[in-house]
Amino acid sequence: GEDVEQSLFLSVREGDSSVINCTYTDSSSTYLYWYKQEPGAGLQLLTYIFSNMDMKQDQRLTVLLNKKDKHLSLRIADTQTGDSAIYFCAHLRSGGYNKLIFGAGTRLAVHP
Amino acid sequence: DTGVSQNPRHKITKRGQNVTFRCDPISEHNRLYWYRQTLGQGPEFLTYFQNEAQLEKSRLLSDRFSAERPKGSFSTLEIQRTEQGDSAMYLCASSFDKNTGELFFGEGSRLTVL
Repeated sequence: GEDVEQSLFLSVREGDSSVINCTYTDSSSTYLYWYKQEPGAGLQLLTYIFSNMDMKQDQRLTVLLNKKDKHLSLRIADTQTGDSAIYFCAHLRSGGYNKLIFGAGTRLAVHP
Repeated sequence: DTGVSQNPRHKITKRGQNVTFRCDPISEHNRLYWYRQTLGQGPEFLTYFQNEAQLEKSRLLSDRFSAERPKGSFSTLEIQRTEQGDSAMYLCASSFDKNTGELFFGEGSRLTVL
């Protein structure tokens, strides 16, 4: 999506933390999401954050939102080989009917 | 399995042929979306239905594309006179009428146009 940008690739060692970053342009976005896509599979919602929050934690996942800078990040603690996938940032376009706008995705590679 | 179901999972066709994909959403979901995903890109919005009404269509949806959801349940996406540039994964998603915007995606239908 032209108004959601992500870095394309991230490589981490198993057990380390991964941080995937995303920037967006629509300041009126109400919800922001992280989806995971494994090879040959559809997209799976990992977590989402409402725009009036700045942090959300869910087990190994921590989402940080800097609304001023329009920056969203996903931190995965204790990254495992099963976390290897493509991670998509998305936002709910204001005024749309739950229409999500996605970034191009960040491919996370976890190595021993 | 009560998730979003799409078929066929993979379709190979020759340029100029018509293809149709079907999506069965989660049964209580009234909203249905079609997205297209090409290699190395995120999903791009194509169209949206609320019940049987098609409420939004992307500029990406040329005249060769048509989508229907006749009874507000399953949906079909037809591509006429396919072109090589139509090769992509076509993803269907559904959601319930609530504000969190969570979409539930199917596994997609991959189209290869030779």
